[in-house]
Amino acid sequence: NAGVTQTPKFRVLKTGQSMTLLCAQDMNHEYMYWYRQDPGMGLRLIHYSVGEGTTAKGEVPDGYNVSRLKKQNFLLGLESAAPSQTSVYFCASSYTGAQNTEAFFGQGTRLTVV
Amino acid sequence: LAKTTQPISMDSYEGQEVNITCSHNNIATNDYITWYQQFPSQGPRFIIQGYKTKVTNEVASLFIPADRKSSTLSLPRVSLSDTAVYYCLVGDIAVGNTGKLIFGQGTTLQVKP
Repeated sequence: NAGVTQTPKFRVLKTGQSMTLLCAQDMNHEYMYWYRQDPGMGLRLIHYSVGEGTTAKGEVPDGYNVSRLKKQNFLLGLESAAPSQTSVYFCASSYTGAQNTEAFFGQGTRLTVV
Repeated sequence: LAKTTQPISMDSYEGQEVNITCSHNNIATNDYITWYQQFPSQGPRFIIQGYKTKVTNEVASLFIPADRKSSTLSLPRVSLSDTAVYYCLVGDIAVGNTGKLIFGQGTTLQVKP
């Protein structure tokens, strides 16, 4: 049971470089989310998607773009990385049923921008 | 989205019952209350969810008073492995909702031997 898989697990970028984080889920979930978590802080929602082909802004969307071309994948892009984007990034997916919106999280991607 | 307020941190000892209260004064009629647990270097994990009264599972109990303006997560007989951050979330989970899943600061629980 893979659940939610994030790729890569670690990455070091230089300021100005670009990269894409991949999130894949095998549970046929409609909803997917990208969060960032800075040291000692809670999770902040970057972008989310309520279905294939849809995306929406969360709490801290600036500097990030996302795409949901396939239902099982949610990509997070950094076009020009900045040191302020150093963080741990978590992807999650969830059901949409009225009685249960348990969200399942990946193991995280630790990104350092130097 | 209803804002939630939780204590920043709590300490307990092994074998004690721990109660973490979350305030959500602006909770809406369709909102459910959900709690997650997060260990260091891991993603959050769903613990329990409820709408009103009391919900119990193998991990915890969730107490929700009639006015639903607060909720209490109860962890029976904690162990060192329960040391984690606990998040309270409030939101509309019905089909067709906005889809946002917003986390607050959470409560850091430290269990001591």
